[in-house]
Amino acid sequence: KAGVTQTPRYLIKTRGQQVTLSCSPISGHRSVSWYQQTPGQGLQFLFEYFSETQRNKGNFPGRFSGRQFSNSRSEMNVSTLELGDSALYLCASAGGTGGYYEQYFGPGTRLTVT
Amino acid sequence: GNSVTQMEGPVTLSEEAFLTINCTYTATGYPSLFWYVQYPGEGLQLLLKATKADDKGSNKGFEATYRKETTSFHLEKGSVQVSDSAVYFCALTLSGGSYIPTFGRGTSLIVHP
Repeated sequence: KAGVTQTPRYLIKTRGQQVTLSCSPISGHRSVSWYQQTPGQGLQFLFEYFSETQRNKGNFPGRFSGRQFSNSRSEMNVSTLELGDSALYLCASAGGTGGYYEQYFGPGTRLTVT
Repeated sequence: GNSVTQMEGPVTLSEEAFLTINCTYTATGYPSLFWYVQYPGEGLQLLLKATKADDKGSNKGFEATYRKETTSFHLEKGSVQVSDSAVYFCALTLSGGSYIPTFGRGTSLIVHP
């Protein structure tokens, strides 16, 4: 079974631009979560989508948004990029035989904002 | 609220040494506990889990026991290898909760030959 895939793997953007990241979950998983990982703040939860609806949300500004499609693929968007948005963005899916408590992570998208 | 506290890293060991990474938690309710591992350049992988008190999770030579009395879930391995060098994250989720794990800050392990 294919794992969680994320595209692109690396991105370089300029302050003020916007960016869209994509995540394809494991087949059959309906829950997709997004995390931001930085050396200073560690792993921080952004939001979770289930059946195309945002089910949980972390404490991030409205510049961070996401959506989920009917095939469970998910995208997250960051508008008006700031230098502090440079991070590894991880996507995780859940809902297989391990239930929704076990998350399966993709390799991440490394975003650099200059 | 819920929180997970891990020992600060990096933990530096020689190959075949004994490993312990401490993890303690605070939770309202009855958590399930997890250890995830992140190898360089990769996402997190579930390493092991325990869903109730006194359960022992184990995988790839790693073990952790759910200790409710000390609210701990320490990760141990009897003999580490260079290939175990990674960042290890302790996490909890609450039964009947949102399924979203609360993660610790991660502990970096460096194993020298």
